[in-house]
Amino acid sequence: EDKVVQSPLSLVVHEGDTVTLNCSYEVTNFRSLLWYKQEKKAPTFLFMLTSSGIEKKSGRLSSILDKKELFSILNITATQTGDSAVYLCAVGYSGAGSYQLTFGKGTKLSVIP
Amino acid sequence: NAGVTQTPKFQVLKTGQSMTLQCAQDMNHEYMSWYRQDPGMGLRLIHYSVGAGITDQGEVPNGYNVSRSTTEDFPLRLLSAAPSQTSVYFCASSRGTYHIYEQYFGPGTRLTVT
Repeated sequence: EDKVVQSPLSLVVHEGDTVTLNCSYEVTNFRSLLWYKQEKKAPTFLFMLTSSGIEKKSGRLSSILDKKELFSILNITATQTGDSAVYLCAVGYSGAGSYQLTFGKGTKLSVIP
Repeated sequence: NAGVTQTPKFQVLKTGQSMTLQCAQDMNHEYMSWYRQDPGMGLRLIHYSVGAGITDQGEVPNGYNVSRSTTEDFPLRLLSAAPSQTSVYFCASSRGTYHIYEQYFGPGTRLTVT
């Protein structure tokens, strides 16, 4: 049973479009939610959210967490071809006396000119 | 700082062979972990360590062993390779154990078992 579910699994948009990626989760002892970008290599860190309702922004990317409804969204405005990647959502939780991350399957974003 | 390094980048094994994937970090991070990534499956945790001498199992530990004799190194051993272990393996490290910190990933090792 998946603890972290991302949707959609894939998405094709045109340059300049705005996209919203979704991540829902169900874990006990929730600690954090993280977004990563992966382009044919290792995942690179985008955001970490720990408090509900606080928006994190970095340029054209932003993310918000809803701890009550157990989901997060990642928004990308004015998309560019360089945004093409798999976006991974990971949820950090306390387990076995330490902090662990569980990843979703990812959303593959393709931005076409 | 080199960050998280992994060797080798690519490896082909025959069924039944054993090998060790190397992982090292130079950031003095306490927490290190190994993930495998398969198409359509996301990243799945194999083993993790919260400090030298301490390791524990993740979601998919069968067929793999780890040890953590130093803070810097966290090798992953495949005991008897099977085709089901064909995957991309990522090592990651993080500053904290119980506290919340981002994980830094190594470049990955692509393993094929024939």
